[in-house]
Amino acid sequence: KQEVTQIPAALSVPEGENLVLNCSFTDSAIYNLQWFRQDPGKGLTSLLLIQSSQREQTSGRLNASLDKSSGRSTLYIAASQPGDSATYLCAVRNTGANSKLTFGKGITLSVRP
Amino acid sequence: DAGVIQSPRHEVTEMGQEVTLRCKPISGHDYLFWYRQTMMRGLELLIYFNNNVPIDDSGMPEDRFSAKMPNASFSTLKIQPSEPRDSAVYFCASSVSDWGQETQYFGPGTRLLVL
Repeated sequence: KQEVTQIPAALSVPEGENLVLNCSFTDSAIYNLQWFRQDPGKGLTSLLLIQSSQREQTSGRLNASLDKSSGRSTLYIAASQPGDSATYLCAVRNTGANSKLTFGKGITLSVRP
Repeated sequence: DAGVIQSPRHEVTEMGQEVTLRCKPISGHDYLFWYRQTMMRGLELLIYFNNNVPIDDSGMPEDRFSAKMPNASFSTLKIQPSEPRDSAVYFCASSVSDWGQETQYFGPGTRLLVL
């Protein structure tokens, strides 16, 4: 059974800092991995999707990497801003028919002005 | 497009009452997912549909939970009877059937409190 872990559960950084959020998964037979953002009281918004054959994806100040063999992904946020404060969740989809997303519990990020 | 629409946004009910949560997916999306989010267990998939047909309901916690999708633009999740441990945020999400670059679009959620 796939398990996704995100540590730490919360993180507070000063504005302007570059930061890395970690995600680990137990089963390397994945189809893809996604990073989502969740604002308080809101649904999830997809940030980046990495296919299993890819090593990284970039969108603006965000860069996500994937190391399937070691079961790890990182989300790099450059020059953090207070508007980046939110909960970031990673989710993996295993290979196989009708495979569903398995989510981590998320990392709550606070960027202090 | 208005995105995924869920109603109600908040629901407070008493134990034993029936609760019905509603979802309208994004037009043209043929996959619909129901999730439950709690602090303890995180985000869990309850059930998902493809072309209005339930594909995997293994996440539905017990027989008190049921879900239907009578047409491509509407789905319900029903809890009968409700219990305090059902208190959570319930999300609906939809996606297209493109396995290459699909992503799920989430609604704002229904925050359920069972007293």
